[in-house]
Amino acid sequence: QQQVKQSPQSLIVQKGGISIINCAYENTAFDYFPWYQQFPGKGPALLIAIRPDVSEKKEGRFTISFNKSAKQFSLHIMDSQPGDSATYFCAARSNWGGKLIFGQGTELSVKP
Amino acid sequence: EAEVAQSPRYKITEKSQAVAFWCDPISGHATLYWYRQILGQGPELLVQFQDESVVDDSQLPKDRFSAERLKGVDSTLKIQPAELGDSAMYLCASSGPRDGYNEQFFGPGTRLTVL
Repeated sequence: QQQVKQSPQSLIVQKGGISIINCAYENTAFDYFPWYQQFPGKGPALLIAIRPDVSEKKEGRFTISFNKSAKQFSLHIMDSQPGDSATYFCAARSNWGGKLIFGQGTELSVKP
Repeated sequence: EAEVAQSPRYKITEKSQAVAFWCDPISGHATLYWYRQILGQGPELLVQFQDESVVDDSQLPKDRFSAERLKGVDSTLKIQPAELGDSAMYLCASSGPRDGYNEQFFGPGTRLTVL
């Protein structure tokens, strides 16, 4: 099944809080899971990515948690800032061809 | 910093007209992708090139869409004739050497409005 399901669709967080976005997949052939950040009118920008042989990856305030057995992964944004307000997309790549399958997106709003 | 270039940034056209979008990938990137992003949704792959060859065009509506990458560098995506449902952001992305694990870098996109 070539689908990635993302939730929530929208999220409002207070400044300094933790933002959590979740994704689930079914295809066990996926081998790479990136997260993209997109501002209005711009193309998606790679934020952080993980491979399935790792359970967690942290870069600054951004952490990916990966649960291979549950086929789920999540993005945690610590100390959320108003500048983090954007749409976030999870994605998964098949180990054949490099095609990315994107989730539906989460619109994050961080209130000052 | 190297970036994926796209033009035009915005295009307004009437249905049944022809439109074309151009993409220049990051220098040295062999793989080039065209995605379509409908407002409020994630991008969906239309076509993927490895050098000048198409490796995946399974989701490209071939009756009206065409794509080429003649010299394995820049690429053009064409729609003829455009339909109202083609209104979307068209994104180009590229990725690096052939090991298959390199990240995809996206351009700023072309916002198409079909009237």
